[in-house]
Amino acid sequence: GAVVSQHPSWVICKSGTSVKIECRSLDFQATTMFWYRQFPKQSLMLMATSNEGSKATYEQGVEKDKFLINHASLTLSTLTVTSAHPEDSSFYICSAQGAGTNTGELFFGEGSRLTVL
Amino acid sequence: DAKTTQPPSMDCAEGRAANLPCNHSTISGNEYVYWYRQIHSQGPQYIIHGLKNNETNEMASLIITEDRKSSTLILPHATLRDTAVYYCIVRTGNAGNNRKLIWGLGTSLAVNP
Repeated sequence: GAVVSQHPSWVICKSGTSVKIECRSLDFQATTMFWYRQFPKQSLMLMATSNEGSKATYEQGVEKDKFLINHASLTLSTLTVTSAHPEDSSFYICSAQGAGTNTGELFFGEGSRLTVL
Repeated sequence: DAKTTQPPSMDCAEGRAANLPCNHSTISGNEYVYWYRQIHSQGPQYIIHGLKNNETNEMASLIITEDRKSSTLILPHATLRDTAVYYCIVRTGNAGNNRKLIWGLGTSLAVNP
């Protein structure tokens, strides 16, 4: 199946700093990528939908100025957690959907674990 | 989007078949049933999906009832590496390419030696 890679897989940062997480589709072009957040023992919560070349669509309750999403190319979307605080500590996961897929599955990255001290 | 209901946890002996049920009684005619699994601290992994007919691939089999209100994922010979949380998801329609999956808590499958 198609491969989606996230980087970094884990990151520890100080409160108040910004952290960028990359999501790359390695062997296909992704017109749409999704960003999720997952807290321990909870399900995936969709944060935003990212479309190449346009602004991301954020879910209700997700601050767009805090979670900056950029989808500048068909193989790369980035999520930047700005001015991170301990409550932003979570497991962040991206998924990518290839261009032209009809009923095909979404492909997920390995996830990025963020710990804010 | 249709919702799904799954048991929170199940146990299975290594080498035996694991049968994971899912109810999706409000599924509509153009919605597919998808199964993913998530091993601890990893991203979800696609397993299989189907619309009406039963499906089989190298990982699992998917049995969908005739009324499509429920389905069962079958892992024919479970191994310890199959220990994971299994998500049954009904996917929204085909409008555009923005498809959002509604995730529940899934079934935590423990495969025991």
